[in-house]
Amino acid sequence: DTEVTQTPKHLVMGMTNKKSLKCEQHMGHRAMYWYKQKAKKPPELMFVYSYEKLSINESVPSRFSPECPNSSLLNLHLHALQPEDSALYLCASSQDLVERARNTEAFFGQGTRLTVV
Amino acid sequence: GENVEQHPSTLSVQEGDSAVIKCTYSDSASNYFPWYKQELGKRPQLIIDIRSNVGEKKDQRIAVTLNKTAKHFSLHITETQPEDSAVYFCAAKLNTGGFKTIFGAGTRPFVKA
Repeated sequence: DTEVTQTPKHLVMGMTNKKSLKCEQHMGHRAMYWYKQKAKKPPELMFVYSYEKLSINESVPSRFSPECPNSSLLNLHLHALQPEDSALYLCASSQDLVERARNTEAFFGQGTRLTVV
Repeated sequence: GENVEQHPSTLSVQEGDSAVIKCTYSDSASNYFPWYKQELGKRPQLIIDIRSNVGEKKDQRIAVTLNKTAKHFSLHITETQPEDSAVYFCAAKLNTGGFKTIFGAGTRPFVKA
């Protein structure tokens, strides 16, 4: 299984709603990532978890709240978003963060296309 | 922090010709350089990668070269085909200070039949 699975695929939410994005992998990867991608732009790193602990928060607004319940799951909780937060949210995982792992390739999920109205 | 610049932003290529995409990075501590292909509406997928202890790597029609001294790396696609039309992102990964992967802005080659 070399898949990173994200749900839902599409999400429309109001600015007062609370929703969650989910990401799951069963490759035994210990590093998991959230990226935000706007149209015609590269993925922009938001958060990195390593061994279920938050390793990097790229100064993301608190209306985005990540959670890593276990080594296979990564959530992104959304609350009071703005229309400019509409984007494709990509989850990724890799075997490890550090070079002691032979393979640091990151596998991406298909993404959740989020629209905030 | 690390900065990755990618050129060109768009590229017109005749089918069967070669295409080259170039990237530069700023932080000499970067030591892993993946290239991702992203088709419209789909996820980025790794097509080739290179580590800082290697100068060149080839996989069928694609090859990547790395010049550590100049902090340049390039993607070469030979015998281009219509299915090569996608967005290509280079990236550089730091092995220190947070292990971030920084992406270039992307290149959109258009393969003309």
